[in-house]
Amino acid sequence: GAVVSQHPSRVICKSGTSVKIECRSLDFQATTMFWYRQFPKKSLMLMATSNEGSKATYEQGVEKDKFLINHASLTLSTLTVTSAHPEDSSFYICSARDSSSGETQYFGPGTRLLVL
Amino acid sequence: GEDVEQSLFLSVREGDSSVINCTYTDSSSTYLYWYKQEPGAGLQLLTYIFSNMDMKQDQRLTVLLNKKDKHLSLRIADTQTGDSAIYFCAEGYTGGYQKVTFGTGTKLQVIP
Repeated sequence: GAVVSQHPSRVICKSGTSVKIECRSLDFQATTMFWYRQFPKKSLMLMATSNEGSKATYEQGVEKDKFLINHASLTLSTLTVTSAHPEDSSFYICSARDSSSGETQYFGPGTRLLVL
Repeated sequence: GEDVEQSLFLSVREGDSSVINCTYTDSSSTYLYWYKQEPGAGLQLLTYIFSNMDMKQDQRLTVLLNKKDKHLSLRIADTQTGDSAIYFCAEGYTGGYQKVTFGTGTKLQVIP
């Protein structure tokens, strides 16, 4: 099946620094990618929809200046957490929709971010 | 509250059947999904069902959809210890806007 990778899988950073997370579709083209955040004991929250070559669409309550999303190619989207704070510590998961095969989203393995 | 609701925990004995239930609120949902998340991992799509279907079977998995009651269930036959995970149901839509709304997840514990 389709494969989506994320890098890094785990990152620890100091408060105030920025962290970039990459999401790649390895064997298909994804015009649309999604970024989710998973809180402990809670569901996944959609943060934003990333469209190749255009600006991301952010969900209500998500700060676009804090969570910068770039979808520069059909196989890569990046999420940058700027000026990270401890409350940004979470599990970030991306997904990608295979443009050629319909509705299914394929999820990456997730990135565990810990901000000290 | 959540638009998609699930019970948080289910415990079954190995070899028994597991039934995970989900209710959703949006009648315009086109697709209903079941995802599996193993500890420390991302999400794996298990199966999905179109909203105009009542049932879908895929090996040990059976999905039942009651559209009138907006109730979705996932039955796992002959549950194995490897089935221990968190199971998320989700609703989605066709068209250009591909938002998927997830439930809270049900943690399935399989007792040997």
